[in-house]
Amino acid sequence: DVKVTQSSRYLVKRTGEKVFLECVQDMDHENMFWYRQDPGLGLRLIYFSYDVKMKEKGDIPEGYSVSREKKERFSLILESASTNQTSMYLCASKVAIQGTGELFFGEGSRLTVL
Amino acid sequence: GENVEQHPSTLSVQEGDSAVIKCTYSDSASNYFPWYKQELGKRPQLIIDIRSNVGEKKDQRIAVTLNKTAKHFSLHITETQPEDSAVYFCPYNNNDMRFGAGTRLTVKP
Repeated sequence: DVKVTQSSRYLVKRTGEKVFLECVQDMDHENMFWYRQDPGLGLRLIYFSYDVKMKEKGDIPEGYSVSREKKERFSLILESASTNQTSMYLCASKVAIQGTGELFFGEGSRLTVL
Repeated sequence: GENVEQHPSTLSVQEGDSAVIKCTYSDSASNYFPWYKQELGKRPQLIIDIRSNVGEKKDQRIAVTLNKTAKHFSLHITETQPEDSAVYFCPYNNNDMRFGAGTRLTVKP
């Protein structure tokens, strides 16, 4: 079974802190994604990556950056956390066949910024 | 750019009734149409998908139908059960995997 693991299920940080959310997948998937999920707003794409060292902006990249140094790991970085970044963050991965393929999600990381 | 509209945003049915959720898309080149289900407190998971060379696909109580002429695909759930209560998503961009707000289905016992 594909496993997408997010390092922290719950985090509490203070405004202005630098936050790292880590995601690791074990199925050699090329494509990886970061979403945030807020009530009533569905899944909003923050950043995605088609391959190592590649990154593309999603719909809401402001205030975030990402790192993909190894194929299995995709990190989401909040350079200076703000209260409006309090949310559930979901990582996902899939094979690199364009326009097809199942997307596998991690369990999510719930971030609270005080 | 590519765009998908998902309707309705919320749906409430009695247990045993059928539910239908519809997605319309604009990109004629789209060839893969998946549906994801997210139960409360859980991660989204693929429940069914269809490719553009097939008009319908069934898996027990769920089915997906594709109307390429009208550019829409629909999720059909028959004999609904309380465990079908969830948010259902269709991606509006299958390359970048972008989603909208989804449809919240509530099945009343």
